[in-house]
Amino acid sequence: DAGVIQSPRHEVTEMGQEVTLRCKPISGHNSLFWYRQTMMRGLELLIYFNNNVPIDDSGMPEDRFSAKMPNASFSTLKIQPSEPRDSAVYFCASRGREYEQYFGPGTRLTVT
Amino acid sequence: AQSVSQHNHHVILSEAASLELGCNYSYGGTVNLFWYVQYPGQHLQLLLKYFSGDPLVKGIKGFEAEFIKSKFSFNLRKPSVQWSDTAEYFCAAADFIKGRLYFGRGTQLTVWP
Repeated sequence: DAGVIQSPRHEVTEMGQEVTLRCKPISGHNSLFWYRQTMMRGLELLIYFNNNVPIDDSGMPEDRFSAKMPNASFSTLKIQPSEPRDSAVYFCASRGREYEQYFGPGTRLTVT
Repeated sequence: AQSVSQHNHHVILSEAASLELGCNYSYGGTVNLFWYVQYPGQHLQLLLKYFSGDPLVKGIKGFEAEFIKSKFSFNLRKPSVQWSDTAEYFCAAADFIKGRLYFGRGTQLTVWP
């Protein structure tokens, strides 16, 4: 199995630009999670989906952030407009049968 | 809701020393527990998991953890650490109703050669 796939691995953009992060979960996993990790705030859960439906988006920092899961094999996290404080590593994870989560390699976002 | 506490924020050891990292969770019912490791610049990787049966769980790279229900604890141990064990370690507990994990804040382990 290829594991959770994320793209891009690195993204550098200017403040005000739109950023789209992509995730492909492990095949057969029905739940998908988006996390953000920074030195200051640690690992934060942003939003998660079950069977493509958003279950809890209370971790999304503000309206500039949105996430979609149009099908079982693809999800996006969009930031529009981006700000320097959004700089972080964004991880996607999918969930196995015993509630364990498998993380993707992450997208390192830098907003200048 | 479930919560997870890791009381050691940074642990520094010499190679060959023994390791124990503390983890406590709050919910007293049926619980699945996990330890993850994050090497520098990498993603979180599953180290070991407990969901039922033998409370002593063995994971990869010589790590083990013991589930003690009466103490709400799931401490991670390794008898002899190596320099390559330098990483951040996260404890997590599953919330079956919400279908998510609650993570502790992590413990940074530094092993000196």
